[in-house]
Amino acid sequence: GAVVSQHPSWVICKSGTSVKIECRSLDFQATTMFWYRQFPKQSLMLMATSNEGSKATYEQGVEKDKFLINHASLTLSTLTVTSAHPEDSSFYICSARVGTGTGELFFGEGSRLTVL
Amino acid sequence: AQKVTQAQTEISVVEKEDVTLDCVYETRDTTYYLFWYKQPPSGELVFLIRRNSFDEQNEISGRYSWNFQKSTSSFNFTITASQVVDSAVYFCALSVGYGGSQGNLIFGKGTKLSVKP
Repeated sequence: GAVVSQHPSWVICKSGTSVKIECRSLDFQATTMFWYRQFPKQSLMLMATSNEGSKATYEQGVEKDKFLINHASLTLSTLTVTSAHPEDSSFYICSARVGTGTGELFFGEGSRLTVL
Repeated sequence: AQKVTQAQTEISVVEKEDVTLDCVYETRDTTYYLFWYKQPPSGELVFLIRRNSFDEQNEISGRYSWNFQKSTSSFNFTITASQVVDSAVYFCALSVGYGGSQGNLIFGKGTKLSVKP
């Protein structure tokens, strides 16, 4: 199947710093990518939908100024956690859609963020 | 509103036992997709199956099988002759409509399966 790669796979940062997580579709173009957040032993919650060349659509309760999403190309979307705090510590997973419409979704390996 | 319920939080079986993971979904849309994903301890999500709302045929893939019943809004997943490598958290998910922002997945809370040797 198609490959979606996330980088970094894990990151530790100090409170107050910003962290950028990249999501790349390696062998296909992804018009739409999704960012999810997963707390320990919990389900995945959709944070935002990222469309190439346009502003991301955020889910209710997700601070768009806190979680900056940029989808500048058909193979790359980035999530920047600004001024990170310990409560932002979580597992962040992106997924990318193959093509449009009902194209299959593929998930990245996830990025584990720990804010000290 | 859409919702996915996985009532079983944790299941523990002994190797070679068969195990069924339950999934019940709610949606008013007539067009939707159902998914199962496996999440091993390493964290990545492994795609297992996608089924659209117009295809109620059951599917078998090796030791895995899925039973989709619209009448009960269920999409259950059975592993036959379970193996230790099957130990993981399994998520059932729902996607409604076609394309774009309507294609995001709504996940159940997951079922943690432990297969003991």
